[in-house]
Amino acid sequence: TQLLEQSPQFLSIQEGENLTVYCNSSSVFSSLQWYRQEPGEGPVLLVTVVTGGEVKKLKRLTFQFGDARKDSSLHITAAQPGDTGLYLCAGGGDYKLSFGAGTTVTVRA
Amino acid sequence: ETGVTQTPRHLVMGMTNKKSLKCEQHLGHNAMYWYKQSAKKPLELMFVYNFKEQTENNSVPSRFSPECPNSSHLFLHLHTLQPEDSALYLCASSQELGTGGIYGYTFGSGTRLTVV
Repeated sequence: TQLLEQSPQFLSIQEGENLTVYCNSSSVFSSLQWYRQEPGEGPVLLVTVVTGGEVKKLKRLTFQFGDARKDSSLHITAAQPGDTGLYLCAGGGDYKLSFGAGTTVTVRA
Repeated sequence: ETGVTQTPRHLVMGMTNKKSLKCEQHLGHNAMYWYKQSAKKPLELMFVYNFKEQTENNSVPSRFSPECPNSSHLFLHLHTLQPEDSALYLCASSQELGTGGIYGYTFGSGTRLTVV
């Protein structure tokens, strides 16, 4: 089992602030994905990164895959209450994904 | 109806009951998965099915019994569960068994199971 550690576990910020969450592993992954899960719902895929050093932007969200393909970060600029949720990273290796425990983000209005 | 649909959304059962969780996908995906989600823990993969054949049982206790009659439907039969089995059970699908890392998984909304 390939372990993914996410930090911080919880994050509470005011609307308009920036935040960064991290996903780290000692294993190399062929791809790294980020999902957001809202209360009462299943995780929804936000992005997939596959190349070491790759940076992808999705509106106010910026995703980065580490050069060694062992870690990733998610940065949200000017967070909004709609960004509230559980952010999960998942590493792709063989035929299945390994998930982290997630970072719970709360954006206060 | 599109996406992955799970029923029921909530289930409370006694330790001696027998119940089943249902998952249905209309995405044309060939791989389906059962995950267990507990607070503060990573998603735990339980079972993997590819073209309705089980390809992985991740050391799941026999009180959980999966069934996949076709590529669109997945069931999880439950019997004599323990209180520690209370969790959110998520069903997911992917195009093919090895494509989840590229195209991602599509998850259902889950069944919140409480064992009393």
